[in-house]
Amino acid sequence: AQTVTQSQPEMSVQEAETVTLSCTYDTSESDYYLFWYKQPPSRQMILVIRQEAYKQQNATENRFSVNFQKAAKSFSLKISDSQLGDAAMYFCAYRSANSGYALNFGKGTSLLVTP
Amino acid sequence: ETGVTQSPTHLIKTRGQQVTLRCSSQSGHNTVSWYQQALGQGPQFIFQYYREEENGRGNFPPRFSGLQFPNYSSELNVNALELDDSALYLCASSSGTRGWGTYNEQFFGPGTRLTVL
Repeated sequence: AQTVTQSQPEMSVQEAETVTLSCTYDTSESDYYLFWYKQPPSRQMILVIRQEAYKQQNATENRFSVNFQKAAKSFSLKISDSQLGDAAMYFCAYRSANSGYALNFGKGTSLLVTP
Repeated sequence: ETGVTQSPTHLIKTRGQQVTLRCSSQSGHNTVSWYQQALGQGPQFIFQYYREEENGRGNFPPRFSGLQFPNYSSELNVNALELDDSALYLCASSSGTRGWGTYNEQFFGPGTRLTVL
């Protein structure tokens, strides 16, 4: 089974600064998807960004970008120009492209944004 | 377009009881997945329903069961509740085809917080 590890239980960033959240995963597959989800106190899981493993180009969505290192099995999320509304739990997730439909989540990183 | 909704929001049960949680999928979606999120943990996959049939299951005992209805809404049933079943239960809907080759984004509901005493 694939495992997803988030080694930072908590991170803190000042408003307008940049923060990077780390994620590593373990898989023997070559084709898969990786995700970052945001879960605010409202509890609703929101997709932040998605990366297909076959794509070498790192995904970007406005202030959010990833650093995908396939050989190292690393998938970090960079949040630029942090805003107060970015404060939430962030979960890294893996989904197989060929043999699964379930999302495998890490334990999450709690992001605090200070004014 | 209505998003994914879940009911109830909160629920308190005692050990040994049975519980039913409900999920209404987003308009146009035919697939519902259920996840259990224990406190301080990431969500864990319970099972998925596609067009009223179970389409995959995680490592959960048979006392976790589900249903999907013709309108693609879904229920999660848990029998013989245990203290460790206390968690946030999330459902996610997506539009999909049988099989897993195609990516279809899963849209999550706000969850049901279940407390077992």
